Amino acid sequence: EVQLVESGGGLVKPGGSLRLSCAASGFTFSSYSMNWVRQAPGKGLEWVSSISSSSSYIYYADSVKGRFTISRDNAKNSLYLQMNSLRAEDTAVYYCARDFLLYCSGGSCYSEEGYFDLWGRGTLVTVSS
Amino acid sequence: SYELTQPPSVSVSPGQTARITCSGDALPKKYAYWYQQKSGQAPVLVIYEDSKRPSGIPERFSGSSSGTMATLTISGAQVEDEADYYCYSTDSSGNHIWVFGGGTKLTVL
Repeated sequence: EVQLVESGGGLVKPGGSLRLSCAASGFTFSSYSMNWVRQAPGKGLEWVSSISSSSSYIYYADSVKGRFTISRDNAKNSLYLQMNSLRAEDTAVYYCARDFLLYCSGGSCYSEEGYFDLWGRGTLVTVSS
Repeated sequence: SYELTQPPSVSVSPGQTARITCSGDALPKKYAYWYQQKSGQAPVLVIYEDSKRPSGIPERFSGSSSGTMATLTISGAQVEDEADYYCYSTDSSGNHIWVFGGGTKLTVL
């Protein structure tokens, strides 16, 4: 089955750290760019970070730049988000999402930014003392 | 920072046409994407590249863009279309910073 499953969420104190994981299955993970998107309780969606298939290109929202680090292990079919210096406003459900694959050529794969064609169910991160 | 502006809510009766707008300075140059999120579920893409519909999305969903405004149109809205809708796009800086609009709650009753 094609799916993404997030894990690693939980309760953490302000200033603390947490590492989220997203396990991919049912597709060639190494071909796809991936993203983290979050949603605070009762609020809207917020793009957090993206990483290209080979980790060559990494981008962050201004709200997390310098505190969060996205990474991936294609051998383990896994995406990660290391979150440091956590704040109350980081409290949210964190989703991993896959970019739509346009094509692969010459050993490189190209995805369409903005087009999330597969989402996980999310993992809740609560930052509170 | 870049912002996309949506109305907080839109309400229509079943069978009517619902229009949800999204305003952003870079939309003349950048595509808009639209996501539907039903309560307690992950989002689903309903429109990409301003006006294209992914496979499996009903034909009643359409999109358009003109100037600094993108519009999601649901023609003949159904009760099951009741959800939050988010536009999604990037600014024109080339920094690959993406933003969602604030979301629009569509009520069909």
